[in-house]
Amino acid sequence: AQSVTQPDIHITVSEGASLELRCNYSYGATPYLFWYVQSPGQGLQLLLKYFSGDTLVQGIKGFEAEFKRSQSSFNLRKPSVHWSDAAEYFCAVGDAGGTSYGKLTFGQGTILTVHP
Amino acid sequence: SAVISQKPSRDICQRGTSLTIQCQVDSQVTMMFWYRQQPGQSLTLIATANQGSEATYESGFVIDKFPISRPNLTFSTLTVSNMSPEDSSIYLCSVYRVGVTEAFFGQGTRLTVV
Repeated sequence: AQSVTQPDIHITVSEGASLELRCNYSYGATPYLFWYVQSPGQGLQLLLKYFSGDTLVQGIKGFEAEFKRSQSSFNLRKPSVHWSDAAEYFCAVGDAGGTSYGKLTFGQGTILTVHP
Repeated sequence: SAVISQKPSRDICQRGTSLTIQCQVDSQVTMMFWYRQQPGQSLTLIATANQGSEATYESGFVIDKFPISRPNLTFSTLTVSNMSPEDSSIYLCSVYRVGVTEAFFGQGTRLTVV
């Protein structure tokens, strides 16, 4: 069964500092990988996704993520964090086909706090 | 993209009662799902809402507790039955767009059971 691990429950950074949120997955084949952001009281917004091609993917709001098959990782990065980035971030893996197509398995989430 | 409207956005319910959550999508979608997000937890898939047939439930979720309807390709309901405080969660409707390989989510329904 597929699974996702986000090792960091809570991360605090200063505004303007760089950010890296870790995500490790377990999946038998090439996964579909996603990063979502959830602001307080809001639904989930997709930041970026990977399912094939270039392993470095660019997303919205200046975020990027790199797929590393050898490490089963899909870490999210941003070179300079803004106060508005404070939210909870979820990494998710999806099935590329079969009976589980369209279903997502989520990590536990990482809460990002940004200090001024 | 897909615009998903969920109703109600929040509710406070008495234990032992039931609540039906509605999910309306602005266009026809094949794949629709319901997730639960318990306080401080991640999202867990409850079931796949199948149009014209019974929903497919994930391990740990049963139809008697979470009956789901999907009368057409733009609408679904999730009922949380015989509620207890442990059912206090955010319930989210999701649709998956095959062509863009992306899941879209509604704003969620924040349920508190007292």
